[in-house]
Amino acid sequence: DTEVTQTPKHLVMGMTNKKSLKCEQHMGHRAMYWYKQKAKKPPELMFVYSYEKLSINESVPSRFSPECPNSSLLNLHLHALQPEDSALYLCASSQHRQNTGELFFGEGSRLTVL
Amino acid sequence: SQQGEEDPQALSIQEGENATMNCSYKTSINNLQWYRQNSGRGLVHLILIRSNEREKHSGRLRVTLDTSKKSSSLLITASRAADTASYFCATDDSGGSNYKLTFGKGTLLTVNP
Repeated sequence: DTEVTQTPKHLVMGMTNKKSLKCEQHMGHRAMYWYKQKAKKPPELMFVYSYEKLSINESVPSRFSPECPNSSLLNLHLHALQPEDSALYLCASSQHRQNTGELFFGEGSRLTVL
Repeated sequence: SQQGEEDPQALSIQEGENATMNCSYKTSINNLQWYRQNSGRGLVHLILIRSNEREKHSGRLRVTLDTSKKSSSLLITASRAADTASYFCATDDSGGSNYKLTFGKGTLLTVNP
């Protein structure tokens, strides 16, 4: 069982909709991540939060808007997405340390954009 | 850009056989990790090997690291049908951000009963 919980598991949205993906962890980790994974491809890093501050933005389009309300929660707000944004969105967390250690992943939110 | 590149891309073996997957990377690293992903699920951390280590074991897993060749291998011994999954190596960049972990393309392992 994963200790990182993502909701919803599945999401279907139109290109004009606004929706959010949510992620929660209670392991006391201070780094949280969003990855995007297309079918048969590796996960690609989107955003990293460290101590609730945005640490990395991998040049992600502004239609994806991350938010870290507190150390346990991570949101990804979606607006005006394109069909090519359909993918599995994975949240992960890790302890804050000098060198990147083990990431704990959630089961992902599968997004379909119509 | 991809940091890690696994080969083979796909591997099919019989239960009880050993499976070996290889990973090559481009930059200097602090550590290299291996993850497993069942179809459509999240990734699960298997093992981490630091740049100053050459070999590490965990249960039926054996990982080697050759920093001079910028390569690593994952050996799964006595494979089981439940080992069927995609396996990814992941590396950081010792000259880059502390939090940036980049995944290789992955190897799809199928273990036939």
